[in-house]
Amino acid sequence: NAGVTQTPKFQVLKTGQSMTLQCAQDMNHEYMSWYRQDPGMGLRLIHYSVGAGITDQGEVPNGYNVSRSTTEDFPLRLLSAAPSQTSVYFCASSYSYGSRADTQYFGPGTRLTVL
Amino acid sequence: GNSVTQMEGPVTLSEEAFLTINCTYTATGYPSLFWYVQYPGEGLQLLLKATKADDKGSNKGFEATYRKETTSFHLEKGSVQVSDSAVYFCAFGGTSYGKLTFGQGTILTVHP
Repeated sequence: NAGVTQTPKFQVLKTGQSMTLQCAQDMNHEYMSWYRQDPGMGLRLIHYSVGAGITDQGEVPNGYNVSRSTTEDFPLRLLSAAPSQTSVYFCASSYSYGSRADTQYFGPGTRLTVL
Repeated sequence: GNSVTQMEGPVTLSEEAFLTINCTYTATGYPSLFWYVQYPGEGLQLLLKATKADDKGSNKGFEATYRKETTSFHLEKGSVQVSDSAVYFCAFGGTSYGKLTFGQGTILTVHP
């Protein structure tokens, strides 16, 4: 199993550009989520999905869109990038969302810089 | 609201020293508690977890006990190694579908 994969690893954008961060998992996990990691702030939840066709907002959703057309893929879209979106983005998945003890598996991250 | 407070870092230790990283949480209900570790250039990976009061999670020589009365989940290791140098995150989950709430992370550097 590849686990959770993310592409690209690094990306530089100009303000106003759009892009999609890709995330895929091959573990047949129901639950997938996107976090951003900023210095001194830990990880903050952007959006999450409890299954194909179902998504919801997390703590910091503004400026980001998601969709979940398949169990495996959960792309994150930046429609008009802003410098405040400079961050490291992590995708995560877990087997289900109903269990209190489910381990979340994280991808290697995408480091995004917006100029 | 729900939150996690971690000991501020960075923490610098010599090899074989004793490690404690404090973590306290504020949450409604009875969350599960986790420690995740992030090695340089990598994503987060689960280090250990505990799902109910007085449970002790352990892995790779690290331990943490779920203390409901003090709402704490402090991470300890008796003898750290250079390879333990990483960022450590305390988190809780189980109060909202799949969501993990993270502390700000503690950078640990271990010198030979």
